[in-house]
Amino acid sequence: DTQLIQSPSTLSASIGDRVSITCRASQSITTWLAWYQQKPGKAPKLLIYQVSKLETGVPSRFSGSGSGTDFTLTIRSLQPDDLATYYCQHYNSNVLSFGGGTKVEI
Amino acid sequence: EVQLVETGGTLMQPGGSLRLSCAVSGLNLRDEYLSWVRQAPGKGLEWVSVIYAGGATYYAESVQGRFTVSKDHFKSTVYLQMSSLRVDDTAVYYCARARHNGWPSPLDYWGQGTLVTVS
Repeated sequence: DTQLIQSPSTLSASIGDRVSITCRASQSITTWLAWYQQKPGKAPKLLIYQVSKLETGVPSRFSGSGSGTDFTLTIRSLQPDDLATYYCQHYNSNVLSFGGGTKVEI
Repeated sequence: EVQLVETGGTLMQPGGSLRLSCAVSGLNLRDEYLSWVRQAPGKGLEWVSVIYAGGATYYAESVQGRFTVSKDHFKSTVYLQMSSLRVDDTAVYYCARARHNGWPSPLDYWGQGTLVTVS
């Protein structure tokens, strides 16, 4: 099964910062990668799928890039509402897996 | 409006059995792929299972042979039957819809989750 390693596990930033989170796969997943945002006590929210496609309603300050085994979620200008934990997820096999998560805090 | 509402979570003893329900509205289960994802307290997300529109199922290795997913089209409900529960099954269990109307897929609609505690 494909394993996903996210880094960093915690990211401290300031409002207005450009923030990047990395997700590395144990084998190539081509472009079958999604990103989720989860706030405390809430269900995850799909932000990006197929590496770089923004889900409807997601602000354009979020973007995704990468291919093969290395992927990045970027928040162009961090807003207070973006403080959350972010997860990558692959969907290149019938058995899905998620990365360990990256908590974005001030 | 699409809604998924999970129920059935409770405190269980190790070795017990429990059935979770996910009531779905705004979707036709005959056409949808529904998945279960869990999250242990303070931990990350773990995919558990999926049930295809046609009824086929897949499971994570950690629950294979102990959990069974099923659905009732008339009740518009997906079930997760959990048996031989272990302490490490303690988690919030979410049901979620596959975005791409197929599998594998990212998950675009999620329920609010239901807490299962095994102790």
